[in-house]
Amino acid sequence: NAGVTQTPKFQVLKTGQSMTLQCAQDMNHEYMSWYRQDPGMGLRLIHYSVGAGITDQGEVPNGYNVSRSTTEDFPLRLLSAAPSQTSVYFCASGGTANNEQFFGPGTRLTVL
Amino acid sequence: SQQGEEDPQALSIQEGENATMNCSYKTSINNLQWYRQNSGRGLVHLILIRSNEREKHSGRLRVTLDTSKKSSSLLITASRAADTASYFCAILFSGGYNKLIFGAGTRLAVHP
Repeated sequence: NAGVTQTPKFQVLKTGQSMTLQCAQDMNHEYMSWYRQDPGMGLRLIHYSVGAGITDQGEVPNGYNVSRSTTEDFPLRLLSAAPSQTSVYFCASGGTANNEQFFGPGTRLTVL
Repeated sequence: SQQGEEDPQALSIQEGENATMNCSYKTSINNLQWYRQNSGRGLVHLILIRSNEREKHSGRLRVTLDTSKKSSSLLITASRAADTASYFCAILFSGGYNKLIFGAGTRLAVHP
């Protein structure tokens, strides 16, 4: 039981490049979410999903896309990276939003 | 905004002392959760308290919720150096939005 896995662990992009952050969970959780954490700050919700085929925007969705084609996977796409997207990105999953959430180890992204 | 506000921002204590962190919010909630984050790591769930509950315990942790004052507190008793971490409250606001929103956190340092 791997829990929530995220790849890659580290990534450096140039401004304007695109990439996908991967998130997978093996706990059959319906609820998955993406957060970003800037230095010394709390987590801000980017997008979330309450089940396969259903996604919605969080607090800071601009510049990011998500899709949820399976229960297990919830990738986060950066369409055209900007330096303001330099951050640590965490994926989380839970049975529902009303349950405890399990977090992945994070992806540290730097945009030059 | 629909965010939990935590205080203090930072707390420094000696081993064996108790540590209290507070979280306040502005609108009705479904539940409030507390998480711990060790430096550079993912978040770990500590306690979830629902809106119809007033107090929950887990080991040396005690969480209270006062919905009339829209506030919660996390008490760590007999603290240890290993409790050094950042602690975050996360709030699921009522209204069916399914958005789990985090506060900015309290950085706790426990000195031997």
